[in-house]
Amino acid sequence: LAKTTQPISMDSYEGQEVNITCSHNNIATNDYITWYQQFPSQGPRFIIQGYKTKVTNEVASLFIPADRKSSTLSLPRVSLSDTAVYYCLVGDNYNNAGNMLTFGGGTRLMVKP
Amino acid sequence: AAGVIQSPRHLIKEKRETATLKCYPIPRHDTVYWYQQGPGQDPQFLISFYEKMQSDKGSIPDRFSAQQFSDYHSELNMSSLELGDSALYFCASRQGAGGTDTQYFGPGTRLTVL
Repeated sequence: LAKTTQPISMDSYEGQEVNITCSHNNIATNDYITWYQQFPSQGPRFIIQGYKTKVTNEVASLFIPADRKSSTLSLPRVSLSDTAVYYCLVGDNYNNAGNMLTFGGGTRLMVKP
Repeated sequence: AAGVIQSPRHLIKEKRETATLKCYPIPRHDTVYWYQQGPGQDPQFLISFYEKMQSDKGSIPDRFSAQQFSDYHSELNMSSLELGDSALYFCASRQGAGGTDTQYFGPGTRLTVL
């Protein structure tokens, strides 16, 4: 499994755009990049997933450069309720019989008023 | 939309007792994963099942066992409980065959061992 590296923590203010970058230098050809959000004492929640270039949904955008060795999760106009831990995960999504998630060192985002 | 259901939500046990955690996946999801999250730690994968067969095993102690039943619900059985087993236990489900690869997590069971 590809190892990921993210900042341990980030601070932001309400209304700002937040970008969290994840490094995954040994990403494999079949690997996808997935981001989860976790609030205290709650299960992780899927945010967005991508393979290359840019993906956007109603919650966030995911930017992936051509070499795929990093990715950036972009949260537009954050609010206090976006305060959470954000995990970047990399793995092969075509293995029907496995595909466990390896969480490692997420980014603790603190949004201030 | 239906979500993953876990029961009980909270459980308090004494050392050396046993505990059973239950997970009901999203309808039509055939793959179930169990994760353990200790205080201040990241979720750690324990075990997974696909079509009622164990598919992967992570850092699950020998004191723990799990299975997936014909209706796809899963149970995590924990015996000889230790203080260090106190944690949040999450179940996640996924549609393994022909579906998306996204895992959907349940609300978790908070186990406290006294």
